[in-house]
Amino acid sequence: DAKTTQPNSMESNEEEPVHLPCNHSTISGTDYIHWYRQLPSQGPEYVIHGLTSNVNNRMASLAIAEDRKSSTLILHRATLRDAAVYYCILMEYGNKLVFGAGTILRVKS
Amino acid sequence: GAVVSQHPSWVICKSGTSVKIECRSLDFQATTMFWYRQFPKQSLMLMATSNEGSKATYEQGVEKDKFLINHASLTLSTLTVTSAHPEDSSFYICSARADRGLLAFFGQGTRLTVV
Repeated sequence: DAKTTQPNSMESNEEEPVHLPCNHSTISGTDYIHWYRQLPSQGPEYVIHGLTSNVNNRMASLAIAEDRKSSTLILHRATLRDAAVYYCILMEYGNKLVFGAGTILRVKS
Repeated sequence: GAVVSQHPSWVICKSGTSVKIECRSLDFQATTMFWYRQFPKQSLMLMATSNEGSKATYEQGVEKDKFLINHASLTLSTLTVTSAHPEDSSFYICSARADRGLLAFFGQGTRLTVV
């Protein structure tokens, strides 16, 4: 499974945008970039995924570098409910989801 | 997103007994289900992958005789922790994916405490 590198933790102010980076220099052409988040004592929640192009949904945006060796999850206006561990995961279609350490996002009011 | 329900949310059992955890996909047919365990302040560790009607594939280091996985239908998978011991206390999480699906959806997790 291709590996990802994320900062251990990040802090944001409420109502401000948050950019969560992920490096995946060994990504293969068939790897999709997935983002999940996990709130305390809950199972992970799907956030967004993409292959080559930038993606937007109601929760977040995903910006993918042109060489696909890095990506950034963008939360446009962080709220206290966005405080969670965010996981960036590479996965080929049909393969298993393997979690790394993730980024702990703290949101200050 | 699709709904995956896990039951129970928490369970306390005595050492030496067995515990069964259920994972149901409520609004889609889950061809593949995954089971994870998570210790405090750690990431999720994949234990096994199961395909409906087939034997589960266990990750290296996971005892298949201790963690019995059954995926008998397209909407239900169960994990049975046999002869549980205090070191099996953990947060167990299931995940389900539809056939030809890219996304996996997760249950809310089961907190197992063995006393």
